[in-house]
Amino acid sequence: QKEVEQNSGPLSVPEGAIASLNCTYSDRGSQSFFWYRQYSGKSPELIMSIYSNGDKEDGRFTAQLNKASQYVSLLIRDSQPSDSATYLCAVNTFLDDGSSNTGKLIFGQGTTLQVKP
Amino acid sequence: NAGVTQTPKFQVLKTGQSMTLQCAQDMNHNSMYWYRQDPGMGLRLIYYSASEGTTDKGEVPNGYNVSRLNKREFSLRLESAAPSQTSVYFCASSPNWTPNYGYTFGSGTRLTVV
Repeated sequence: QKEVEQNSGPLSVPEGAIASLNCTYSDRGSQSFFWYRQYSGKSPELIMSIYSNGDKEDGRFTAQLNKASQYVSLLIRDSQPSDSATYLCAVNTFLDDGSSNTGKLIFGQGTTLQVKP
Repeated sequence: NAGVTQTPKFQVLKTGQSMTLQCAQDMNHNSMYWYRQDPGMGLRLIYYSASEGTTDKGEVPNGYNVSRLNKREFSLRLESAAPSQTSVYFCASSPNWTPNYGYTFGSGTRLTVV
């Protein structure tokens, strides 16, 4: 069973701090990694994607990928109360023999972030 | 610029009733997906359609059927609703079936089965 694991939280940080959200995955063949933000009662919204080891920055968001450790993280700098939401990690999956992309994403349970003014 | 449109937004069913959840996308995407989201369980894939004319089971297909009516539309049917199907249902689409660009989600259908 391919899995994506996230700490459900809540993760509480003060306004202006750096929030660090972590995700581990089980499928060594995964090549595409995504972070979604989901406000309460709303649908998931794609905020970051990363495909290569290292860091990818987009405004206040930085995604970090380490395929050897099967670990992906999201850093939010200068956190704002409007960043309070659940953050979902999603990973693409391959067939068990590694021959083909399944075309499906597996989602973690999400980490709830609370940014306190 | 609608993206992915789901109807209805809310629904209450009695046990044993049937209903169809509708989903349509206007982004010319090839692949479409149905997920359910339950507290503590995350998003779980029910069915997906890699391209027009094809459908496949996901992680939790029991009790559901799907139809890929055309490239735009992908519907989810509950033939005999059960309380265990109380959930939030999301439809999603992606340009192709290797989801290198992630999914675009609809706004969801909140279903309660009593």
